[in-house]
Amino acid sequence: GENVEQHPSTLSVQEGDSAVIKCTYSDSASNYFPWYKQELGKRPQLIIDIRSNVGEKKDQRIAVTLNKTAKHFSLHITETQPEDSAVYFCAASNGGTASKLTFGTGTRLQVTL
Amino acid sequence: NAGVTQTPKFQVLKTGQSMTLQCAQDMNHEYMSWYRQDPGMGLRLIHYSVGAGITDQGEVPNGYNVSRSTTEDFPLRLLSAAPSQTSVYFCASSYLASGQETQYFGPGTRLLVL
Repeated sequence: GENVEQHPSTLSVQEGDSAVIKCTYSDSASNYFPWYKQELGKRPQLIIDIRSNVGEKKDQRIAVTLNKTAKHFSLHITETQPEDSAVYFCAASNGGTASKLTFGTGTRLQVTL
Repeated sequence: NAGVTQTPKFQVLKTGQSMTLQCAQDMNHEYMSWYRQDPGMGLRLIHYSVGAGITDQGEVPNGYNVSRSTTEDFPLRLLSAAPSQTSVYFCASSYLASGQETQYFGPGTRLLVL
């Protein structure tokens, strides 16, 4: 089955700096890669996703890149703000949808003033 | 729309008891899934469904059953609760159209098995 590894497990950045979280996956058939933000005690929230026919996708301060050859994908957050502090999860699916996901173990992002 | 709803919010069970975690969505989403979240382990897929009458196992299906008799409901049944099933359970639904995925998670059910 699919295995998704996520690094780092914790990340501390100063407000205004950029943050990068990296994930690798094992199943070359995986074709859908979403990222989630989860605040303490709350449900995960889909923030951005990318499909295997695209190399990069941006949404305001958030971007995701995908390298199919190396089987890794990354989340980039620019101009970080205190409200970006949360746990971020990457995930992968070989079904092309969010119905069957394998998650990474999460990155706790702390944005300090 | 109420989105994805889950009941109960919190439940305490004794080992060996059975119960059903309810999940419903009113967005006519075809895909629904159940995940459990344990500290430091992210979310793990228990069962999922790609439409009414269709279900399949995920990564950790043992000890759980599901059914999808309607598009709206996707209950998760614990057959004989064990302390290892203490976790937070999230239900999710999604819809794919024109290459754009829309997905929502329910608020979660916190389960404690003694």
